[in-house]
Amino acid sequence: EDQVTQSPEALRLQEGESSSLNCSYTVSGLRGLFWYRQDPGKGPEFLFTLYSAGEEKEKERLKATLTKKESFLHITAPKPEDSATYLCAVRGDDKIIFGKGTRLHILP
Amino acid sequence: SAVISQKPSRDICQRGTSLTIQCQVDSQVTMMFWYRQQPGQSLTLIATANQGSEATYESGFVIDKFPISRPNLTFSTLTVSNMSPEDSSIYLCSVGSVTSYNEQFFGPGTRLTVL
Repeated sequence: EDQVTQSPEALRLQEGESSSLNCSYTVSGLRGLFWYRQDPGKGPEFLFTLYSAGEEKEKERLKATLTKKESFLHITAPKPEDSATYLCAVRGDDKIIFGKGTRLHILP
Repeated sequence: SAVISQKPSRDICQRGTSLTIQCQVDSQVTMMFWYRQQPGQSLTLIATANQGSEATYESGFVIDKFPISRPNLTFSTLTVSNMSPEDSSIYLCSVGSVTSYNEQFFGPGTRLTVL
């Protein structure tokens, strides 16, 4: 059964304290792994798509990486405005499956 | 990326009633998607709506409970019928990007509370 698990569920960091969010997946025929950011009361905002192991994408303080079993979203020197829920999703042969997300809180 | 709006943004409804949620996109798109996001849970795809054809429902969702209309390439509606408290959730519509429907852009969501 296709599955996406994100960890940790919640993470509190001091401003400037770098860390990583994990997305572990089990899917038949990976056709893409996606990262989204969701602010309270809003819909998810698309960040990255990764297609194959070894691929990396960067955007400002965010960097996403992919292996055959998991993806990491690295956050370097985060700022309070990076506080949000980060969602991971994978597309296999059948459909897109979302994880439950990691709630990230950056303290000033 | 497409700009998507939803109406209403939130509503409180009584058990047994129905609510229709509207989704408007600022450009023509072939596929539109409806999701449900329950508290503490992941986004779950309800159905895919293509203009000119019947919506395709995911396992666990049926047309009688969640009828969908797609009258043109910029608009869709989702109705939540005969509501119960278990239907309390955020409902989101989304569209794929121009290059890949895998990269989806979401509306702001409709927060539904059923009493």
